[in-house]
Amino acid sequence: GENVEQHPSTLSVQEGDSAVIKCTYSDSASNYFPWYKQELGKRPQLIIDIRSNVGEKKDQRIAVTLNKTAKHFSLHITETQPEDSAVYFCAASYSSNTGKLIFGQGTTLQVKP
Amino acid sequence: DGGITQSPKYLFRKEGQNVTLSCEQNLNHDAMYWYRQDPGQGLRLIYYSQIVNDFQKGDIAEGYSVSREKKESFPLTVTSAQKNPTAFYLCASMGGGLLEAFFGQGTRLTVV
Repeated sequence: GENVEQHPSTLSVQEGDSAVIKCTYSDSASNYFPWYKQELGKRPQLIIDIRSNVGEKKDQRIAVTLNKTAKHFSLHITETQPEDSAVYFCAASYSSNTGKLIFGQGTTLQVKP
Repeated sequence: DGGITQSPKYLFRKEGQNVTLSCEQNLNHDAMYWYRQDPGQGLRLIYYSQIVNDFQKGDIAEGYSVSREKKESFPLTVTSAQKNPTAFYLCASMGGGLLEAFFGQGTRLTVV
């Protein structure tokens, strides 16, 4: 069945450094790849997403890249700040707002001041 | 106040008892989802529903049951057959032409 693998499980960086989280997916039919951020004690919230017809998307300090051939996508956070500390989840689905959404295992990012 | 609401926030259950977690949304979303969150295992899909009166099993459906009698509601029952039910449960909905999933605040279930 569909599977999304996410690495690393934990990531610690110094404030101001960059952070990269990587995901691979198994279902070649997947064409929508969102990233969610879950702060401690809060619900996950969408921070950025990318569709399969695009190779890269940026939103201020965060960016996502997609390699359809290799079936992997990555989240890049530049100039990290302590408030970036959270659990980040990647996900994959077939583009439909009623479709099955499969999440990766999550990455706990710690940004040290 | 539009959104998705889960209740209760904390729930304690004795072994051998069934328990039902509530999830209600007023976003007019067609799709609703139940996930289980355990440390280091991410969000694992239990059940999802794309339309009223229809639902599909996710990756870890054993020991759980759901119903979707109304568009707004997607309750999850954790049965006594679920061998390790202690976890954090998240409900989500999606719809309105958008692909963003909106999550409830979660229910932490503890078996005592």
